[in-house]
Amino acid sequence: AQKITQTQPGMFVQEKEAVTLDCTYDTSDPSYGLFWYKQPSSGEMIFLIYQGSYDQQNATEGRYSLNFQKARKSANLVISASQLGDSAMYFCAMREGFGNEKLTFGTGTRLTIIP
Amino acid sequence: EAQVTQNPRYLITVTGKKLTVTCSQNMNHEYMSWYRQDPGLGLRQIYYSMNVEVTDKGDVPEGYKVSRKEKRNFPLILESPSPNQTSLYFCASGAGNTIYFGEGSWLTVV
Repeated sequence: AQKITQTQPGMFVQEKEAVTLDCTYDTSDPSYGLFWYKQPSSGEMIFLIYQGSYDQQNATEGRYSLNFQKARKSANLVISASQLGDSAMYFCAMREGFGNEKLTFGTGTRLTIIP
Repeated sequence: EAQVTQNPRYLITVTGKKLTVTCSQNMNHEYMSWYRQDPGLGLRQIYYSMNVEVTDKGDVPEGYKVSRKEKRNFPLILESPSPNQTSLYFCASGAGNTIYFGEGSWLTVV
């Protein structure tokens, strides 16, 4: 079974609209963390936001927020007021337990913002 | 500013010619790791290090070596590169709620 599932291979969104990128995860470990990264066409991997499994509130970082629904095992990224510079691949990733700190990545969603 | 710096960013090399990709971080992190990113396979962990002189294999360690002689540096060594090691490589640093990646190193082995 996939540990991280991103079901939207590609999305097109009008500039200034909000966009939600889906991510579901699968783990039996009660302690885990969920990350979102942005990968522009230049290739670098940019950290956007983090949500811990014990965090009571949804994480927010500027225009990024994470809609964390623990019972549904989903951690969707919401980008408000999208901009042309938001066009990129977006990856959801999970860290389970402690120790290795290995991240397991989803297959990504390619987001294209239309002017 | 938090930084993970990899070099080289781009490299074309020939089969069998040893190469090293350097990684340096300025955040005093104990944990560092290497990933490779391939189309259709996503990012996979190669090696990781939990502290100086402490390293261990990730999911795809074959053909790679690492060392961690000082906290800030974690080089990835390809002793005898082969074409199947053509990939985009990332160094990562951090743990807990903050894991930063370097800018990536595009490696082509011909």
